[in-house]
Formats: sequence, C-alpha cells, structure tokens
Amino acid sequence: AQSVTQLDSQVPVFEEAPVELRCNYSSSVSVYLFWYVQYPNQGLQLLLKYLSGSTLVKGINGFEAEFNKSQTSFHLRKPSVHISDTAEYFCAVSEVGGFKTIFGAGTRLFVKA
Amino acid sequence: DAGVTQSPTHLIKTRGQHVTLRCSPISGHKSVSWYQQVLGQGPQFIFQYYEKEERGRGNFPDRFSARQFPNYSSELNVNALLLGDSALYLCASSGFRDRGDTGELFFGEGSRLTVL
Repeated sequence: AQSVTQLDSQVPVFEEAPVELRCNYSSSVSVYLFWYVQYPNQGLQLLLKYLSGSTLVKGINGFEAEFNKSQTSFHLRKPSVHISDTAEYFCAVSEVGGFKTIFGAGTRLFVKA
Repeated sequence: DAGVTQSPTHLIKTRGQHVTLRCSPISGHKSVSWYQQVLGQGPQFIFQYYEKEERGRGNFPDRFSARQFPNYSSELNVNALLLGDSALYLCASSGFRDRGDTGELFFGEGSRLTVL
C-alpha cells in the first residue's frame, strides 16, 4: 500500500519570495508522483508529474519538483510566488498499473503582499 | 473540448435520504474515478470504473455504490445518508489504464453535498 505525507499543513510566504512544499511518500512498488493544485470552490488541476527519467520535473505556473528516491520525497518549489498562487496543494502517488491515486492531506499556501 | 462535468454542483439532503451524483468524462476517456473530499482534507478514493467495470474500491461502506454507462458517464449513489457524508464529491476521468496510462487525473469541479 502507498501513503503520502505532506509535512506542512500551512505555509505563509510573502509575494516574490521562494517557497518549498514538502512531500514524502511510502510504497513497496514503482509509482508515479503528482502535484495537484486546488483553488477555492474548484476541482483539482495537475501542476506536474514524475513518471520516470530526469528527477527534476517542471510544471505549469513556474513550479518544479524534484524526485528523490533515496529519501522517498517529491518536494514542490517555486523561486518567486505571486498572490495568485494562494491555493491548496496536494501531493499524490499512483501505483504503476494500479487503479487508484492516493492523496496527501494538503498544504495551504498563503501568499501575502 | 469539454472537461469533466459534474451535476448537481450543490445539494442539501437530510439524514437517511439517498443521493445520486452524475459525471461525464472527457471525450475519449474510458476511466472514471470518484473521490470524497471532506473539508480540510485530501481527496479519498471511493471507486474506479473502466469500460463499465469496477476496477477498484476504497474503504467506504456498502451504502456507497456506482456504475458506469455505455457512454462512459458515471453515477455515484449514496444511501441512508449520514451527517459525516457531507463533503465535496469529485469525479475524475483518465486515459487507458491498460495501455500505459500514467494515472494523471482530470477532475471536475465537484458536487458539494450537505447532509442536515
């Protein structure tokens, strides 16, 4: 079975500052890794995904994430955040060839002016 | 192309009632998954259907059931509603699990159920 732990429930940050949202996962089989974003009163939207290959993955809106197999982590980063990045961010894992995606509890990113 | 559409967007029910939620996947997608998102938590997996067959079920009671139709749309049914069933119910469609599908999910905006 897989599990996902998002280490921060809330991350407040000033506009134009860098941010890192932390995610650790656990699995005994090969997995795909994802970050999704959820804006208020909306569904989830894919930010980026790691399938294989390069461990640094670039996504939409200037976000990137690095897969670290030895530390079973998939942290999300952005070098300079905007007010519009205020949202809930979910790390997720899907077993290769499996049928379900497991989500973390979410990290609320709050960008202050 | 239209994204994943869900209906209704909001609904209020009382304890003991039953509810049906509907979902239309992205054109060409044959897999539909349902998730429950309680306020302040991440989505919890309920069901996945592929080609009209149930491929997986999460840890939910038998009061929860679903089905997928020949046009790949889907319904989620919940019987004997409890207060704890109040949540945002998300439908997601995806590509072909059996053909190297990466598991990327495309979500609708959800149906917000309030049970009083």
